[in-house]
Amino acid sequence: SAVISQKPSRDICQRGTSLTIQCQVDSQVTMMFWYRQQPGQSLTLIATANQGSEATYESGFVIDKFPISRPNLTFSTLTVSNMSPEDSSIYLCSVGVSGISTDTQYFGPGTRLTVL
Amino acid sequence: AQKVTQAQTEISVVEKEDVTLDCVYETRDTTYYLFWYKQPPSGELVFLIRRNSFDEQNEISGRYSWNFQKSTSSFNFTITASQVVDSAVYFCALSEAHQGGKLIFGQGTELSVKP
Repeated sequence: SAVISQKPSRDICQRGTSLTIQCQVDSQVTMMFWYRQQPGQSLTLIATANQGSEATYESGFVIDKFPISRPNLTFSTLTVSNMSPEDSSIYLCSVGVSGISTDTQYFGPGTRLTVL
Repeated sequence: AQKVTQAQTEISVVEKEDVTLDCVYETRDTTYYLFWYKQPPSGELVFLIRRNSFDEQNEISGRYSWNFQKSTSSFNFTITASQVVDSAVYFCALSEAHQGGKLIFGQGTELSVKP
């Protein structure tokens, strides 16, 4: 597995602002993903963060709302833009360590976001 | 379309009881992967097990065991002699070979183990 850290661990933000969440891995990984977990709900994939190219977004998620950067094989950011209370969720990054898409995914500790 | 169903929303047991968490999945793929994750109150998601579609052997790891049955599309998880530390939300998840790593999660089962 890999050691994954996320910053911030939690934040309280005002409506209309943006927050950038960082995900750092202690080793180079090919596959990196961002998930959202709304309160009391399951996890939903937002996008796959591709190194050197644009992220691949799932249905219902758009780049303008959730821009993602992946500058190298150990780091990615997810920005939640123009936030509303509906964006209050836990945001988790995950990585697959072996480099194939069907690899087991290991998750970071998550970022708990509350939007007022 | 792919789908994972965890029909049990909440389960409450007393310590030392055995408990089984159900997971039923739907997929059209012949190659797929099944997972169980644990999410304790602290919020992080902890990987427990992965099963490939071509490997139907059941697995035991300490007090944990998993029963994979393709005939019923089920991948159930049993905790033997439950402990308070087992209290958490447990998620079953599915990944299809052609989906680029996307995990489809069930709704989760919240397990409460009381002393």
